[in-house]
Amino acid sequence: GAGVSQSPSNKVTEKGKDVELRCDPISGHTALYWYRQSLGQGLEFLIYFQGNSAPDKSGLPSDRFSAERTGGSVSTLTIQRTQQEDSAVYLCASSPGAGSYEQYFGPGTRLTVT
Amino acid sequence: AQSVTQLGSHVSVSEGALVLLRCNYSSSVPPYLFWYVQYPNQGLQLLLKYTSAATLVKGINGFEAEFKKSETSFHLTKPSAHMRDAAEYFCAVIGGAGSYQLTFGKGTKLSVIP
Repeated sequence: GAGVSQSPSNKVTEKGKDVELRCDPISGHTALYWYRQSLGQGLEFLIYFQGNSAPDKSGLPSDRFSAERTGGSVSTLTIQRTQQEDSAVYLCASSPGAGSYEQYFGPGTRLTVT
Repeated sequence: AQSVTQLGSHVSVSEGALVLLRCNYSSSVPPYLFWYVQYPNQGLQLLLKYTSAATLVKGINGFEAEFKKSETSFHLTKPSAHMRDAAEYFCAVIGGAGSYQLTFGKGTKLSVIP
């Protein structure tokens, strides 16, 4: 079946602009995660959605970062007023939820802020 | 809180030789442990997982790992390296039932020498 998909695969933006990154999870998966992968910080958790529950935003690095998940499926990660330190690969993962701990990752979006 | 330490940011082995990638974890509760592989410009692929069943876990592509509670280790092994195994490998932990976010090690890049 189809895996997790993310778009765009690459995004180059100017400092100060807003960007939106999209994630389509595996069909039927109730849990969705965003992670960030950067050279300096490695892989970091950003945010977690489970069903209709309030998301866990504890990993978001600043209030410039936000995410939503519509209809329990597609998710969008928004970064406002981008800074150069936001340059990284943003990875989305989904999980069946309900006691399943395996997370399946998408190919990522490489964000470059110039 | 939990953490993961991967010994060796870069490991080189000859084709056909044993692969051993080391991972030690810290967790205040019984952990769930994972190994992921990342090929260049791709997302993370799950190799194997430990979720409190058998301590010796077999995964894809001939890899296996053994959970040793006394040593807080979860080392990844493969008897005979192939060129296609060249990639970056990440060990990750979830801090037990009720937790969900992955905490990753910094990764080990495996090179396979022909």
